[in-house]
Amino acid sequence: GDSVTQMEGPVTLSEEAFLTINCTYTATGYPSLFWYVQYPGEGLQLLLKATKADDKGSNKGFEATYRKETTSFHLEKGSVQVSDSAVYFCALTSGGSNYKLTFGKGTLLTVNP
Amino acid sequence: DAGVTQSPTHLIKTRGQQVTLRCSPKSGHDTVSWYQQALGQGPQFIFQYYEEEERQRGNFPDRFSGHQFPNYSSELNVNALLLGDSALYLCASSLPGGRRQPQHFGDGTRLSIL
Repeated sequence: GDSVTQMEGPVTLSEEAFLTINCTYTATGYPSLFWYVQYPGEGLQLLLKATKADDKGSNKGFEATYRKETTSFHLEKGSVQVSDSAVYFCALTSGGSNYKLTFGKGTLLTVNP
Repeated sequence: DAGVTQSPTHLIKTRGQQVTLRCSPKSGHDTVSWYQQALGQGPQFIFQYYEEEERQRGNFPDRFSGHQFPNYSSELNVNALLLGDSALYLCASSLPGGRRQPQHFGDGTRLSIL
């Protein structure tokens, strides 16, 4: 079945540091890939998406590139802010199950001033 | 433009009781999915509704059931509550179009079972 593996957290960075959160996947067919962010006490917000190989999703300074050859979708940001502190989830939908999102376990990011 | 709204925000129940959670999708969306998020975990898919029918279901027992109304809003019902049902229940809505359409989430209902 489909699965998503994220790097284990928590990740603690200083403001303006470079961020990478690794995500790899196993899926049927050609999945669509997503990053969601969850702030404390809230639901999930869509951060970015990519629907085919070599697509780059970007939003609010975050980027991720759909790499079919390495089955990866790593999240990056060049300079993090305190307000980026949250839990980040990598997720996919695939041809085997068009309608459900399969999530990773999440990575807690804390950014210190 | 209202996003996905869920009610209630918090709920406390005891074992064996039944609960109903409600969701109104984002304007223009006609597909509603429900997820269960245990503490410290990623959300797990319960089921999805489209055109008032359950279109796909995850690995959840029959105690979990749902409904979609003609206005696209949805309910999640859980019978015979267990301690393990304590979780954040998230509703997500989307446009039709399968896996390329992103799902938009509400803030969830926090269910605590005593």
